[in-house]
Amino acid sequence: NAGVTQTPKFRVLKTGQSMTLLCAQDMNHEYMYWYRQDPGMGLRLIHYSVGEGTTAKGEVPDGYNVSRLKKQNFLLGLESAAPSQTSVYFCAIDGTSGRAGYNEQFFGPGTRLTVL
Amino acid sequence: GQQLNQSPQSMFIQEGEDVSMNCTSSSIFNTWLWYKQDPGEGPVLLIALYKAGELTSNGRLTAQFGITRKDSFLNISASIPSDVGIYFCAGDTNTGNQFYFGTGTSLTVIP
Repeated sequence: NAGVTQTPKFRVLKTGQSMTLLCAQDMNHEYMYWYRQDPGMGLRLIHYSVGEGTTAKGEVPDGYNVSRLKKQNFLLGLESAAPSQTSVYFCAIDGTSGRAGYNEQFFGPGTRLTVL
Repeated sequence: GQQLNQSPQSMFIQEGEDVSMNCTSSSIFNTWLWYKQDPGEGPVLLIALYKAGELTSNGRLTAQFGITRKDSFLNISASIPSDVGIYFCAGDTNTGNQFYFGTGTSLTVIP
């Protein structure tokens, strides 16, 4: 998974509980992303970060918060989990294949979250 | 968000057959990426395309960046059982390094 790790791998929450998902990279990349994947809907961008201390909203940011206090780590928080947030969450980093100026996204192994 | 239409949604083919799938967008893209995802795993990058008309191969896989910059296709030749999985296209409009993903093509290869 291109040096991208995610913890935890699985989690079950009750409605209203909070939790934080951790994405860590060991390759010093600036850009990091959080996606959710639901059946039949592909991957949708929740939030992303273009560098330490910066975050931005993606396509489906509501109900989530993020932080990038350290360049290596990108945290995704759910303050009050809802059943609609049951999904598989993927972290990605923007790397390069070696061609200067070209970016590609590499994904972590995913976190499967169920909200009851 | 951007609309990316990926087709077909699913395919069932015999081992040894060739496969073709495509993606079309409502906007012009600067980059097209093709991924494969196995069950329980994250997507793995197969091919990246950066120029209109570009044709790139990776083993038995070939992908092309459409001339209009609004489409791309992926071909798999002589399919084998390990090609089974879900294939995703993704495009980048070069506005903030955001990629938009297709809904995936599920491929089943019958031995």
